[in-house]
Amino acid sequence: AQSVTQLGSHVSVSEGALVLLRCNYSSSVPPYLFWYVQYPNQGLQLLLKYTTGATLVKGINGFEAEFKKSETSFHLTKPSAHMSDAAEYFCAVSGSGGYNKLIFGAGTRLAVHP
Amino acid sequence: EAGVTQFPSHSVIEKGQTVTLRCDPISGHDNLYWYRRVMGKEIKFLLHFVKESKQDESGMPNNRFLAERTGGTYSTLKVQPAELEDSGVYFCASSPVTGSYGYTFGSGTRLTVV
Repeated sequence: AQSVTQLGSHVSVSEGALVLLRCNYSSSVPPYLFWYVQYPNQGLQLLLKYTTGATLVKGINGFEAEFKKSETSFHLTKPSAHMSDAAEYFCAVSGSGGYNKLIFGAGTRLAVHP
Repeated sequence: EAGVTQFPSHSVIEKGQTVTLRCDPISGHDNLYWYRRVMGKEIKFLLHFVKESKQDESGMPNNRFLAERTGGTYSTLKVQPAELEDSGVYFCASSPVTGSYGYTFGSGTRLTVV
């Protein structure tokens, strides 16, 4: 069975500050891990994904995440927040193979203030 | 390349009525998924088509929900009769058969049952 826990349903940062969104997963098989973002009134957009290989994954808009197997974590970071980063972020896990269903966390809403 | 298209974008219906949601996947994507987010909770998997066949329908909540994908192209999700707890956002996603880890999501259909 697989599950995802996102710590913090709401995170607020100042513009220019570090963004850290936490994600821990549980999986009985090697996981594939994803971060999606949903901007207001839009669909889910893939930020980045980890399948195999390098554990530090870089995504769009300056975001990156590091897969840490020993900690079962896949935290999302961005060095400097921008007002346009305000959105809801979802961590998800699936089994290997690419066809398996995604198991999502509850989401973290990021607010960026001036 | 056109993305995943869902319509309607919004639907408000009365309890007991029938609603049909439609998803047009990216052309050539054999895999089509339906997900649902109810009342700010996790996004949950409903079912997965490979072409016109249901690969996994373990997430379908009950027999009031019927999904079809005739001809392996677009898909419909019918709710009949709708209940209040069916309110939420219904997302569709598609992916190619191989080599795709991560899915392209549509913008979703916001269903409100009153």
